Amino acid sequence: DQQVKQNSPSLSVQEGRISILNCDYTNSMFDYFLWYKKYPAEGPTFLISISSIKDKNEDGRFTVFLNKSAKHLSLHIVPSQPGDSAVYFCAASARYNRKLIWGLGTSLAVNP
Amino acid sequence: GAVVSQHPSRVICKSGTSVKIECRSLDFQATTMFWYRQFPKQSLMLMATSNEGSKATYEQGVEKDKFLINHASLTLSTLTVTSAHPEDSSFYICSARDSEGTTIAQPQHFGDGTRLSIL
Repeated sequence: DQQVKQNSPSLSVQEGRISILNCDYTNSMFDYFLWYKKYPAEGPTFLISISSIKDKNEDGRFTVFLNKSAKHLSLHIVPSQPGDSAVYFCAASARYNRKLIWGLGTSLAVNP
Repeated sequence: GAVVSQHPSRVICKSGTSVKIECRSLDFQATTMFWYRQFPKQSLMLMATSNEGSKATYEQGVEKDKFLINHASLTLSTLTVTSAHPEDSSFYICSARDSEGTTIAQPQHFGDGTRLSIL
């Protein structure tokens, strides 16, 4: 059973516009959420995280929003750049073991 | 930022060979490191959690005798694929978390992965 779901396998956005990547989770014990970016044949690169005590965290062009009641988080990238084209993974962990549970990823293509 | 170095980046070898992959945290200490495997077009699959100074914790379905993990220091964990066969060909990735991150949430930082091809 997929505890972390990224329902959109791919997303295409025009350069300069906003990219919104979505993630849903089922385990109410999750209290820490992360977004990673991954290029082919490379390890994931940490982008941004959010603790369950917050509903928003911002870092430059990247903002993560957390809606605990809906068990939903999203990553906003604005403005989107061609270099942002990659696979984005959402991951979650719970305090009791801090093991990361991963979504299946969303492939983002930013078109010039 | 935190850097994790994984070596080698690519290995091609004959069936029956044992292959060792190293994972080092370069600018922080990691009591816990993680080993993942990624199949084409799939997400990362956690294989095992490597704990410094103690035995690794393996995920269900992962053979501990096949995938030997050693975490002898706070900056180094190794994964040895013993007697590798073609079905072991995959992309193996390690990650490490700062030693502060047991109860305090900290991100895992990843190496660049090892592409293992068994002929």
